Amino acid sequence: DAGVIQSPRHEVTEMGQEVTLRCKPISGHNSLFWYRQTMMRGLELLIYFNNNVPIDDSGMPEDRFSAKMPNASFSTLKIQPSEPRDSAVYFCASSPSAGYQNTEAFFGQGTRLTVV
Amino acid sequence: DQQVKQNSPSLSVQEGRISILNCDYTNSMFDYFLWYKKYPAEGPTFLISISSIKDKNEDGRFTVFLNKSAKHLSLHIVPSQPGDSAVYFCAASGSGTYKYIFGTGTRLKVLA
Repeated sequence: DAGVIQSPRHEVTEMGQEVTLRCKPISGHNSLFWYRQTMMRGLELLIYFNNNVPIDDSGMPEDRFSAKMPNASFSTLKIQPSEPRDSAVYFCASSPSAGYQNTEAFFGQGTRLTVV
Repeated sequence: DQQVKQNSPSLSVQEGRISILNCDYTNSMFDYFLWYKKYPAEGPTFLISISSIKDKNEDGRFTVFLNKSAKHLSLHIVPSQPGDSAVYFCAASGSGTYKYIFGTGTRLKVLA
């Protein structure tokens, strides 16, 4: 298995532009997570899905952020409009139903976003 | 409100010695705890975990200890190797919840 696949690996955009980050979870995993890594907050959970349904989006910073999971093999995180303070590394992770089994989450390699 | 705390941002240890990384949590509903290792430009990778029904779990050079009454866990690496130099994240999960809450990480540097 190729693991969790994220694209792009790097994204540089201008303030005010729309940014879309993509994630393909590991086949058969029911839970998907989006995290943001910053120096101050470490790995901050933004949103997670179970069986393609958003369960908890309380970590989404504000309305400029949205996430979708149209099917079991694809998810997007969109920022519109982007701001310089959104610059961070964004990770996607998947897990086989973490809630009912004590299992770990598997992470992608991340997308480094720079908003100038 | 940081539910999982790693109060030491960095740690330096001599090769061959023991590395001890600490983690505290505030939510008594957490019952599963994990440690992840992260190298630069890579995603975090799972290292070791422990369920709340145990107080110790060992895997090779890595041992995790859990003190539920103190809401504290620690990761011991013995002996430490230069390849262990990375950022270590502690994470917690609660029964019936799907999400993992991470700490801010501790950067370990093992000196040759």
